[in-house]
Amino acid sequence: NAGVTQTPKFQVLKTGQSMTLQCAQDMNHNSMYWYRQDPGMGLRLIYYSASEGTTDKGEVPNGYNVSRLNKREFSLRLESAAPSQTSVYFCASSEGYGTEAFFGQGTRLTVV
Amino acid sequence: KQEVTQIPAALSVPEGENLVLNCSFTDSAIYNLQWFRQDPGKGLTSLLLIQSSQREQTSGRLNASLDKSSGRSTLYIAASQPGDSATYLCAASGGSNYKLTFGKGTLLTVNP
Repeated sequence: NAGVTQTPKFQVLKTGQSMTLQCAQDMNHNSMYWYRQDPGMGLRLIYYSASEGTTDKGEVPNGYNVSRLNKREFSLRLESAAPSQTSVYFCASSEGYGTEAFFGQGTRLTVV
Repeated sequence: KQEVTQIPAALSVPEGENLVLNCSFTDSAIYNLQWFRQDPGKGLTSLLLIQSSQREQTSGRLNASLDKSSGRSTLYIAASQPGDSATYLCAASGGSNYKLTFGKGTLLTVNP
């Protein structure tokens, strides 16, 4: 019972490089989310997807794009990485809006 | 805009003690409140979810209460153990998209 799986777990990028963070859930959840966690800032919502085929901006969407590939998968793309995007990224899913959220183990990204 | 505050930021107790972690939120129009545990370098594990219509939820040695009118939730941990050492986060769900707004957490250390 994997729950929410994120890949990769660690990544180091150079400024200006691009990459995609992958997230997949096996709980048949409708809603999926991407958060970033920074010291002193807590967890902040980047993008979310209420259901397959829809995506919306959260608190801090600048510099990111997302794709809800299908019901299981929700990816986060950094087109041109910046040092300010150094963070721990978490993917989460829930059955629907306002229901219990389940989180992945995180991706630790460093941009140098 | 919803703001969630957790007090204290850090707490150290001897094993066996009963303890209370506090969470306050500014907008009482929440849909639910969720408590999470985060171990160092790991993801978030859901502990308890309290719907806005409920006053409390219990799971084993954990009991969470919710008072919407005062904008407060508490997490009670009975007979604490060293294995309870972790950061505890609360998150309020509300707004037009039921977005989770997180507090910055309480770092709990239970000493043997």
